[in-house]
Amino acid sequence: EADIYQTPRYLVIGTGKKITLECSQTMGHDKMYWYQQDPGMELHLIHYSYGVNSTEKGDLSSESTVSRIRTEHFPLTLESARPSHTSQYLCASEDSGKGYEQYFGPGTRLTVT
Amino acid sequence: QKEVEQNSGPLSVPEGAIASLNCTYSDRVSQSFFWYRQYSGKSPELIMSIYSNGDKEDGRFTAQLNKASQYVSLLIRDSQPSDSATYLCAVNRLNSGYALNFGKGTSLLVTP
Repeated sequence: EADIYQTPRYLVIGTGKKITLECSQTMGHDKMYWYQQDPGMELHLIHYSYGVNSTEKGDLSSESTVSRIRTEHFPLTLESARPSHTSQYLCASEDSGKGYEQYFGPGTRLTVT
Repeated sequence: QKEVEQNSGPLSVPEGAIASLNCTYSDRVSQSFFWYRQYSGKSPELIMSIYSNGDKEDGRFTAQLNKASQYVSLLIRDSQPSDSATYLCAVNRLNSGYALNFGKGTSLLVTP
């Protein structure tokens, strides 16, 4: 099981602000993912990474960017926050040696006013 | 058609009973299947993975997979009030770096 950390856990911010959601894992997993989840809804893939210097777009990627400069770190940036970005953001890493099992961080609950 | 479908529930079972949760998926070539438990306001927690047809047991949990019918289920024996949560079925995508397609989840309520 991975140790995955996300900061901040909760964030309230005004429209138009630039924000970065942090995600770090200590298990050396190569693959990492960002998902978005609204209450009562399924998780949607935002971005993913195969490893250092690899970033790929998911289904909801058009308004955010990611970077992967170090194996353990996979931050997500919203250049200009909008109320429609209000959601829970979940980071996950994958243990490729265990059949693609993914382990989630505690999440960041973002509210854009 | 959604990639992963689950009955949203709520499914209510008495304490000590067997809870049965079901999931269907649309991509016939999917290979890896997972059940996550999610408590309200928390992140998903992996409880079972299954890759081959048949049953896989882990403690009080049994996952069942039928690839021909594109059907995955989770049985929880001797259900406890602490099992009350939303259970998410997830299936590997064969694109997007093997990210997961999730169902909306089934809400389970175990009553004392």
